[in-house]
Amino acid sequence: NAGVTQTPKFQVLKTGQSMTLQCAQDMNHNSMYWYRQDPGMGLRLIYYSASEGTTDKGEVPNGYNVSRLNKREFSLRLESAAPSQTSVYFCASSEEWGVGTQYFGPGTRLLVL
Amino acid sequence: GNSVTQMEGPVTLSEEAFLTINCTYTATGYPSLFWYVQYPGEGLQLLLKATKADDKGSNKGFEATYRKETTSFHLEKGSVQVSDSAVYFCALILTIGADSWGKLQFGAGTQVVVTP
Repeated sequence: NAGVTQTPKFQVLKTGQSMTLQCAQDMNHNSMYWYRQDPGMGLRLIYYSASEGTTDKGEVPNGYNVSRLNKREFSLRLESAAPSQTSVYFCASSEEWGVGTQYFGPGTRLLVL
Repeated sequence: GNSVTQMEGPVTLSEEAFLTINCTYTATGYPSLFWYVQYPGEGLQLLLKATKADDKGSNKGFEATYRKETTSFHLEKGSVQVSDSAVYFCALILTIGADSWGKLQFGAGTQVVVTP
């Protein structure tokens, strides 16, 4: 039981490049989330998927897109990376939407030059 | 709007010292409250939670009581260990029917450093 897994662990991009962050969970959870963590700002919600087949914007969605590929997988795409997107990205899942107990992956550290 | 405010870190303590991390919140409605912990190089994990006023959450020697009258959820541990060195996040979630319900909202985090 791996919980929530994320790939890659670390990535360096040049401004304007694109990339997709992958996330998978093996807990049969319905809801999944993408957060970014910046110093002094806690975690901010980028996008979420309350259930398979649905996605919605969170607090800071600009510059990102998501895909809920199936119940297990939820990917985050940066179409044209900007230095302001340098951050640590966390994927999380929960049994249902609106439940505060969320399970987090180990994170992806992204540096945009 | 809804928000969570935590004391700034880093908080540096000696092993076996008493730890308190202050957390206060602003919310429209009646939130559930959480403490998450992030160990170095890892993702967040739930430490404890409380879902209604006067509830006390506890885990691994940590405790926090949901105080509605002071809108607070302070984290305490009586005797810290080096292994408690981490970043601690206070968070809230609003229940159905409230504005912005269902989204976990985090404080900025408080780094705790415990020295031998």
